[in-house]
Amino acid sequence: ETGVTQSPTHLIKTRGQQVTLRCSSQSGHNTVSWYQQALGQGPQFIFQYYREEENGRGNFPPRFSGLQFPNYSSELNVNALELDDSALYLCASSGRDSKETQYFGPGTRLLVL
Amino acid sequence: AQSVTQPDIHITVSEGASLELRCNYSYGATPYLFWYVQSPGQGLQLLLKYFSGDTLVQGIKGFEAEFKRSQSSFNLRKPSVHWSDAAEYFCAVGAGGYGNKLVFGAGTILRVKS
Repeated sequence: ETGVTQSPTHLIKTRGQQVTLRCSSQSGHNTVSWYQQALGQGPQFIFQYYREEENGRGNFPPRFSGLQFPNYSSELNVNALELDDSALYLCASSGRDSKETQYFGPGTRLLVL
Repeated sequence: AQSVTQPDIHITVSEGASLELRCNYSYGATPYLFWYVQSPGQGLQLLLKYFSGDTLVQGIKGFEAEFKRSQSSFNLRKPSVHWSDAAEYFCAVGAGGYGNKLVFGAGTILRVKS
């Protein structure tokens, strides 16, 4: 069984640029959630996708957007990058039921200069 | 709104000693509770979870946690810590229903002295 994978592992961007992060969900999982983990903090929920539609969103501005594809993989897009967007971005896959465990990928470390 | 408090930012224990990491949550209904562990540069690994039933939950790597509704707590314990347990530990509460968002605490960094 393949776990959750994310790409790239590290990324450096400059302020104002745009970035796309990718996530492949674990086999059999149809729900993908994205979290932002700033240095020294716990992960914060960005949004969740189920069957290619956004299914819940945290307190993040619209410049954070996402997609889910028919194979349940997902992308996180961030436009107009700000210095505070520097963080570890974690993807988690699960079944849709709230009792389903979320399995996390290794994350993408984004540095905005 | 849900929230999670982990009062201890850092904890240092000696190898072989017992461990308790504290977690308090705020949630109106019956919570779904989780403990995850994160090693440096890694993602999160689930240690254990509580949905209902027996309030003492067993997890992987010898960890257990006890749900106490009266104290709004879900503390993580291990009777004998190993050097490989050094990591950061996160408590999380699930909102339940669809749109299954997890709300995490700020984490506790565990250091193990040999």
